[in-house]
Amino acid sequence: NAGVTQTPKFQVLKTGQSMTLQCAQDMNHEYMSWYRQDPGMGLRLIHYSVGAGITDQGEVPNGYNVSRSTTEDFPLRLLSAAPSQTSVYFCASSYSDSRYGYTFGSGTRLTVV
Amino acid sequence: ILNVEQSPQSLHVQEGDSTNFTCSFPSSNFYALHWYRWETAKSPEALFVMTLNGDEKKKGRISATLNTKEGYSYLYIKGSQPEDSATYLCAPYNTDKLIFGTGTRLQVFP
Repeated sequence: NAGVTQTPKFQVLKTGQSMTLQCAQDMNHEYMSWYRQDPGMGLRLIHYSVGAGITDQGEVPNGYNVSRSTTEDFPLRLLSAAPSQTSVYFCASSYSDSRYGYTFGSGTRLTVV
Repeated sequence: ILNVEQSPQSLHVQEGDSTNFTCSFPSSNFYALHWYRWETAKSPEALFVMTLNGDEKKKGRISATLNTKEGYSYLYIKGSQPEDSATYLCAPYNTDKLIFGTGTRLQVFP
């Protein structure tokens, strides 16, 4: 099993550009989520999905879009990149039950200049 | 959004020392409490998931307890080793969301 795969691992964008961070899991997990990690802020939830076709906002959703057309994939779209979106982004997945731990991807380090 | 507090923010101990950290969270609408271990340049890995008041979990030298009535959990490491150096995150689960604390960064010196 590959687990949770995130691509790309590194990306540099110019302010105003758009891009999509990819996340795929092969564990048949219903639940998927995106977090960003900033120094001193810990992991903050951006968006999450409890199943295909269902998404919802987390703590810091502004400037990001998500969709969930399949169980396996949960892409995160930056609509118009801003320097404040410079961060490390983690995708995580789990069974839809609070008793199961999350499996995290290896992260995408994004710099917006 | 839940207010999750972890203390201390960082901890430096000598090899062989035992240590513990605290996670505080709102006690209302409790579903579960997760603990994760996060090594530098890696991804967070699940340590424990606890759901019941009074739960105790153990994995090797690491153990955790849960008090849902007062809203806190303790993580204990017995006889710390350099390989225990990591950031330890707690996260209460509430309405389909895991909200993470900022973590306790542990450094164990040989």
